[in-house]
Amino acid sequence: GQQLNQSPQSMFIQEGEDVSMNCTSSSIFNTWLWYKQEPGEGPVLLIALYKAGELTSNGRLTAQFGITRKDSFLNISASIPSDVGIYFCAGQLEGAQKLVFGQGTRLTINP
Amino acid sequence: DSGVTQTPKHLITATGQRVTLRCSPRSGDLSVYWYQQSLDQGLQFLIQYYNGEERAKGNILERFSAQQFPDLHSELNLSSLELGDSALYFCASSVGASGSGRETQYFGPGTRLLVL
Repeated sequence: GQQLNQSPQSMFIQEGEDVSMNCTSSSIFNTWLWYKQEPGEGPVLLIALYKAGELTSNGRLTAQFGITRKDSFLNISASIPSDVGIYFCAGQLEGAQKLVFGQGTRLTINP
Repeated sequence: DSGVTQTPKHLITATGQRVTLRCSPRSGDLSVYWYQQSLDQGLQFLIQYYNGEERAKGNILERFSAQQFPDLHSELNLSSLELGDSALYFCASSVGASGSGRETQYFGPGTRLLVL
């Protein structure tokens, strides 16, 4: 099935550092979503993007919908220990209900 | 708390058996989606129901089936279970099902299935 290429697969950073991850696809999506998943929990929606070029923030998180509609990135500024988890991008094709997920970026923070 | 509930949280069963996973969507949501999360395949869409009717189908095996009841809760039935069916099964819900791309999906906590 369709997949999104998400990178990096994992990140080990120091508390206070900024984080950047991205997703790319060969398909055009009309919605990009970023979710965070913690152990034993379901994915929690962080940011939703609906328009090419859109830049949206949620606290220390900022995400952008790429101009080509084939990519998106998520930045986390000044990371804190509770940012630890797995971050997933998800895309939704025009007229489709299902979400296509990236493989996830596992974020580990050293205090 | 997303407002989506799933039961049971954990399920351990044997190969060849049949299990039923249950999901209650957020209040007011008419669409329910089922996803499977495994280590090698990641999060994969299985099936969607909207107001009791099947709306979209993904990578769902013939051994699996789902339904949505008049009270909008949904059940995912997994039969003739194999070792490879061990995974996390998530339910998500959204208000509608227009496919416009603005139907935010909220995920439940998942059911962890272990087939021995």
